[in-house]
Amino acid sequence: DQQVKQNSPSLSVQEGRISILNCDYTNSMFDYFLWYKKYPAEGPTFLISISSIKDKNEDGRFTVFLNKSAKHLSLHIVPSQPGDSAVYFCAASYNTNAGKSTFGDGTTLTVKP
Amino acid sequence: NAGVMQNPRHLVRRRGQEARLRCSPVKGHSHVYWYRQLPEEGLKFMVYLQKENIIDESGMPKERFSAEFPKEGPSILRIQQVVRGDSAAYFCASSLSAGRGNYGYTFGSGTRLTVV
Repeated sequence: DQQVKQNSPSLSVQEGRISILNCDYTNSMFDYFLWYKKYPAEGPTFLISISSIKDKNEDGRFTVFLNKSAKHLSLHIVPSQPGDSAVYFCAASYNTNAGKSTFGDGTTLTVKP
Repeated sequence: NAGVMQNPRHLVRRRGQEARLRCSPVKGHSHVYWYRQLPEEGLKFMVYLQKENIIDESGMPKERFSAEFPKEGPSILRIQQVVRGDSAAYFCASSLSAGRGNYGYTFGSGTRLTVV
């Protein structure tokens, strides 16, 4: 039973446009969510997080939206840049320890110049 | 680079051999987490350690796998009698504390284990 799902294995967008990556979860106990970016042969790099007490968190070009009733979160990247091309993982945790996170399978984002 | 250091980057073992994966956390970090990533999948939590203690090993197989984080030196993930299904990328992350914050966790570049 996969508790965090990223249903789109891949996404392709044009440079300068918006990238929207989606993530669904099933465990209502999750109360902290993170997005990581990963390049080939490297470890994941933290991008942005959101607590369940919020519905939006913004950091520069990256915004994460949380819809608790739908158990859905999304990552918006505006404007998208070719350097954003990578695999993006959604992760969720609970009980105060975000180090023990449940990851989705990732979405490969390609930003075309 | 003062980040999480993992070595070796690549490790090839024959079936039945032992694999030892090392993780040196960010300086000053006393919390270490090990994850495993199978091809085309996300990272799966294996074990959480603090200095000299295993806090949560709920994601680690009960047999053949063990982890330690001694008072001195790196954290070690040890896999005995490896099988082909152990082939994966193993990532280590570290943190200053076990709480949360708007900073996420620092991951190493991983060790890619291939069992032949």
